[in-house]
Amino acid sequence: NAGVMQNPRHLVRRRGQEARLRCSPMKGHSHVYWYRQLPEEGLKFMVYLQKENIIDESGMPKERFSAEFPKEGPSILRIQQVVRGDSAAYFCASSLTMAHQETQYFGPGTRLLVL
Amino acid sequence: DQQVKQNSPSLSVQEGRISILNCDYTNSMFDYFLWYKKYPAEGPTFLISISSIKDKNEDGRFTVFLNKSAKHLSLHIVPSQPGDSAVYFCAASEDNYGQNFVFGPGTRLSVLP
Repeated sequence: NAGVMQNPRHLVRRRGQEARLRCSPMKGHSHVYWYRQLPEEGLKFMVYLQKENIIDESGMPKERFSAEFPKEGPSILRIQQVVRGDSAAYFCASSLTMAHQETQYFGPGTRLLVL
Repeated sequence: DQQVKQNSPSLSVQEGRISILNCDYTNSMFDYFLWYKKYPAEGPTFLISISSIKDKNEDGRFTVFLNKSAKHLSLHIVPSQPGDSAVYFCAASEDNYGQNFVFGPGTRLSVLP
């Protein structure tokens, strides 16, 4: 029973490039959440998506960041024109329903390094 | 301004002894609290939770205590085992919905054999 998968696990980008982070939820899960963990900090909620819909993007920076969860395929977190401050670990979680926090299962994360 | 604080970045404990990880919060509206455990190169995994109607919740070797008046909770692990070595995150929310949680910065626990 495959868990939440994220790829790539590590991503290096130069300033100004685009970063695309992918998240495949657990089988049957239609709710996806993205979190960011900056160095020495806890995870911070970014965006919550349900198939083809953004439910809550209150934690997403207003510029350069976007997320989607198409009908087919993984959820994508896209960061345009990356800056050094975007260097962080990005975690995706999925759940079967929009339910309790305990039912979210996290992926292993993508570590983004912006040079 | 951090709403959830874990003031000890790291903690070392001898195997077999008790580990006590602390968490303080500032938002009096927080009503639901969770602890997560994270190994290197893995995502966090849910460990134990507690709602504000309780002051203690126990699951095997893990017990969470909540002191609402002090806005403080703690996770006790007894007896500690080397496999417990990980980073522990405290998280809090005004309700128990999936995206409304605020995480602390984590405490790295090392259990020494």
